[in-house]
Amino acid sequence: QKEVEQNSGPLSVPEGAIASLNCTYSDRGSQSFFWYRQYSGKSPELIMFIYSNGDKEDGRFTAQLNKASQYVSLLIRDSQPSDSATYLCAVNEGGGGADGLTFGKGTHLIIQP
Amino acid sequence: SQTIHQWPATLVQPVGSPLSLECTVEGTSNPNLYWYRQAAGRGLQLLFYSVGIGQISSEVPQNLSASRPQDRQFILSSKKLLLSDSGFYLCAWSVQRTLDFGPGTRLTVT
Repeated sequence: QKEVEQNSGPLSVPEGAIASLNCTYSDRGSQSFFWYRQYSGKSPELIMFIYSNGDKEDGRFTAQLNKASQYVSLLIRDSQPSDSATYLCAVNEGGGGADGLTFGKGTHLIIQP
Repeated sequence: SQTIHQWPATLVQPVGSPLSLECTVEGTSNPNLYWYRQAAGRGLQLLFYSVGIGQISSEVPQNLSASRPQDRQFILSSKKLLLSDSGFYLCAWSVQRTLDFGPGTRLTVT
């Protein structure tokens, strides 16, 4: 059974610091990796995706992928109180549709002003 | 642009009552559609997905059912709700290898 593991938190980070969120996955055949942000009471929204080993940057967000170690991480630079949310990691084996997507349970991030 | 609508936004239903949640998609044709549930303290659970009208795949055996009467309409139903059916129900459509979620329906079974 495919598993995606995340520390549930809460992870508390001071405003302006770097928040580091980690995710490990069990299926070595996984090809596509996604980070969603979910505010309390709202639906998840996609913020980053990464398909290749290494780093991918988008504004204050950087996704890092290491397929050999089977982990993917999300860095948030210059953290803002508005970044406080639950962050979901999702992994797809890649060849098929989104029915192959497996979600972690999420990490609750708190940015302290 | 593509948009997903879900209604109602919130719902409180007694145990044993029926359920009907509706999802419609705008701005695309023949989308793959999904129903997920997010229960308190648990992750996102895929319930059903559909690749076309009348085509439904069930991921988890339970007292819920789904139907797709039109290309851009996806309905989640139950004949008799259980307490364990409480949760946040999300409709989604696939975008390349991942998902775009609708606003969700918060269901509380009392």
